[in-house]
Amino acid sequence: DAGVTQSPTHLIKTRGQQVTLRCSPKSGHDTVSWYQQALGQGPQFIFQYYEEEERQRGNFPDRFSGHQFPNYSSELNVNALLLGDSALYLCASSFRGPGNTIYFGEGSWLTVV
Amino acid sequence: QKEVEQNSGPLSVPEGAIASLNCTYSDRGSQSFFWYRQYSGKSPELIMSIYSNGDKEDGRFTAQLNKASQYVSLLIRDSQPSDSATYLCAVNLGASGGSYIPTFGRGTSLIVHP
Repeated sequence: DAGVTQSPTHLIKTRGQQVTLRCSPKSGHDTVSWYQQALGQGPQFIFQYYEEEERQRGNFPDRFSGHQFPNYSSELNVNALLLGDSALYLCASSFRGPGNTIYFGEGSWLTVV
Repeated sequence: QKEVEQNSGPLSVPEGAIASLNCTYSDRGSQSFFWYRQYSGKSPELIMSIYSNGDKEDGRFTAQLNKASQYVSLLIRDSQPSDSATYLCAVNLGASGGSYIPTFGRGTSLIVHP
């Protein structure tokens, strides 16, 4: 049973560029959440997708956008990259519901130079 | 603003001691609580979940929940150097439309020294 998978693992981008990160949820999970984790901080909620729609959004600018596909996989897109976007981006999957546990992928390390 | 608070530490304990990690949350309606461990440079991994008041034990780990006081704690017995990591508290906070947002504290750094 495959867990949550993310790609790419590491990438370096230049300020102003755009990046797309990808995530495949754990088998059977229908909800994908994305988090940004800066060094020394806890994961910060970006947004959550369920049934191919953005259901909840954290305090992130519109430069951050996403998508969920019919097979529940998801993408995170960040436009006009800033140095401050350098972080670990975590994808987490779960079943929809209050008691459901989220499981993380290995993350994508983004460095903006 | 709904929040999850943790002391960032570091918490330093000798090998074999009990490590006690604490977390408070602001949303009184929260029903689900989780502890994750995160090694440096790695993603968080689930240690335990707890939903009811009281204690829940799993091996050397015990999670404690007190909804009236809005705190959740994690005890690690017989601490080992391999337990040295950052421990993240997470709470499923209610949001609009019946959704729940897993919300994390900033984590507590634990150092277990030989």
